[in-house]
Amino acid sequence: DIQMTQSPSSVSASVGDRVTITCRASQGISSWLAWYQQKPGKAPKLLIYAASSLQSGVPSRFSGSGSGTDFTLTISSLQPEDFATYYCQQANSFPHAFGQGTKVEIK
Amino acid sequence: EVQLVESGGGLIQPGGSLRLSCAASGFTVSSNYMSWVRQAPGKGLEWVSVIYSGGSTYYADSVKGRFTISRDNSKNTLYLQMNSLRAEDTAVYYCARVSYYYDSSGYQNPLYYFDYWGQGTLVTVSS
Repeated sequence: DIQMTQSPSSVSASVGDRVTITCRASQGISSWLAWYQQKPGKAPKLLIYAASSLQSGVPSRFSGSGSGTDFTLTISSLQPEDFATYYCQQANSFPHAFGQGTKVEIK
Repeated sequence: EVQLVESGGGLIQPGGSLRLSCAASGFTVSSNYMSWVRQAPGKGLEWVSVIYSGGSTYYADSVKGRFTISRDNSKNTLYLQMNSLRAEDTAVYYCARVSYYYDSSGYQNPLYYFDYWGQGTLVTVSS
């Protein structure tokens, strides 16, 4: 099975900061990667798919990059509504594992 | 508007059974790939199962042989039958639609990204 490892597990940042989260797959997954945002008590929301494609309706301050085993999610200018937990997910093969999550907290 | 509404969660004793439902609107369940994803309290997300539009089903090893995914086309509803429940099955269970694309032959292909989610239903396995 493919394992997904995110870093850091948490990050403290201020409004307006640039935030980068990384995700590493235990084996190559091409560009079969998604990023989700989850707020407390809510369902996850798809932000990025195919490693770098922005889901419809998602603000352009979110971007994704990478291929193979190493991927990044970047929030170019953190907004108050972006404080949440972010998960990567591999869509290459069963089981479609998620990373352990990265919590973006207010500094 | 696409909407998914789960129900059926609750408190159940170890070894018991429970059936979760996910009522869909705004699209046809039988024409899509649908999944269940769960989240233990304070933990991350775990993919549980998928059912293809053609009816094939797949499961995580942790639930294989105990859980069954199915759908009722007439009710546009997805189900998860959970048997032999264990404490480690305690989680919020989400149903989610699997995104897809049509190739040049008009064949539907899954992308295994979850583009729509329900609000979740909590299952607690405890004596």
